[in-house]
Amino acid sequence: EIVLTQSPDTLSLSPGERATLSCRASQSVYSSFLAWYQQKPGQAPRLLILGASSRATGIPDRFIGSGFGTDFTLTISRLEPEDFAVYYCQQYGNSPVTFGQGTKVEMK
Amino acid sequence: EVQLVQSGAEVKKPGETLKISCEASGYGFINYWIAWVRQTPEKGLEWMGIIYPGDSDTRYSPSFDGQVTISVDTSTNTAYLQWSSLKASDTAMYYCARQISGWFPVDYWGQGTLVTVSS
Repeated sequence: EIVLTQSPDTLSLSPGERATLSCRASQSVYSSFLAWYQQKPGQAPRLLILGASSRATGIPDRFIGSGFGTDFTLTISRLEPEDFAVYYCQQYGNSPVTFGQGTKVEMK
Repeated sequence: EVQLVQSGAEVKKPGETLKISCEASGYGFINYWIAWVRQTPEKGLEWMGIIYPGDSDTRYSPSFDGQVTISVDTSTNTAYLQWSSLKASDTAMYYCARQISGWFPVDYWGQGTLVTVSS
């Protein structure tokens, strides 16, 4: 199975700053079938990005996905207060589907 | 509005059986796969398996194959996850989520069902 490793584990930033989250796969992700989810405490994950770089419906354009092969990045261009949460990457191109361990974006 | 509404929290003892549910509304139930995902603090999010209500085609992640059973009832637009003999290690939050096809990730999620297994 494909192992996804996210870095860093925690990112401490202030509102207005740029956040850069990394997701590295143990082998190439088929057809860039890589998604990013946001999860807040007590809530289910919410889909942000699919196909490595396409924003899901209703997702603000400050969320930018990029990458291919084994290296993927989620950039939040300017953090809003509601963006402080845990972010997970997921690959859905190879069976079984797998998730990264998550990156927590916390307020500095 | 697409909704996946899961059954309430459960507290069970090791060895007991359990079936939790996920009722879908607001879209064509038989046209979307329903996945089940486990979440624990130790292991994070884990993909358990997926079922296509249209024909009950079911696929399990190797880690969960033989450990759980996924099923659907198309007359009530409900998917199920069941255990025949719970273990303490099954303690987790369980989410259902819908997926249109393997070309897309899951998009809508249920609110989660917390399962606690303790003697």
